[in-house]
Amino acid sequence: DTEVTQTPKHLVMGMTNKKSLKCEQHMGHRAMYWYKQKAKKPPELMFVYSYEKLSINESVPSRFSPECPNSSLLNLHLHALQPEDSALYLCASSQVSGGSGANVLTFGAGSRLTVL
Amino acid sequence: AQSVTQLGSHVSVSEGALVLLRCNYSSSVPPYLFWYVQYPNQGLQLLLKYTSAATLVKGINGFEAEFKKSETSFHLTKPSAHMSDAAEYFCAVTKNSGGYQKVTFGTGTKLQVIP
Repeated sequence: DTEVTQTPKHLVMGMTNKKSLKCEQHMGHRAMYWYKQKAKKPPELMFVYSYEKLSINESVPSRFSPECPNSSLLNLHLHALQPEDSALYLCASSQVSGGSGANVLTFGAGSRLTVL
Repeated sequence: AQSVTQLGSHVSVSEGALVLLRCNYSSSVPPYLFWYVQYPNQGLQLLLKYTSAATLVKGINGFEAEFKKSETSFHLTKPSAHMSDAAEYFCAVTKNSGGYQKVTFGTGTKLQVIP
């Protein structure tokens, strides 16, 4: 299995809703990532988990809450979002290795979020 | 700090024509360079990667890229464009940062293929 699966593909939510995005991989990758991508822009890193521990939080507002329940799953919990949070949210995973910068990120197809 | 610059946010070619997408990098150490492709409403897919084993790198779908240290470039080419090549292309540089890959993306080039 060489895929990263993201659900749902599309999500519409109001500013008072609570929802979650889910990501799953079975490639044995121990690093998992959340990226946010606005239209016509490159992906922006939000969070990184390495061995199920949060390694990087790129100053993301607390209305985004990541969770890594096990080595295959990554969630992004959403609460009280703003319309400007509407974007494509991409999950990715990679191997963790010491010293090599050549590990490839495998991306999911993304979850398209619209905040009304 | 590592960075990549993609020249041209939008490139148009005729079907069957040469595709050339430009990427220049800035790095104080030998870089690990990638090209990713993103089709509409999809995630990013790896086209090819340079890891210093060979300067000419062949990827999927007939694409290739040549690493030129003297020009600090890693341009992406394809001899003959196909309609299915229409997509957004991102050049990226990456390094290991304590257990994860720190990826710096270029701003992207949208390729339009004209019938």
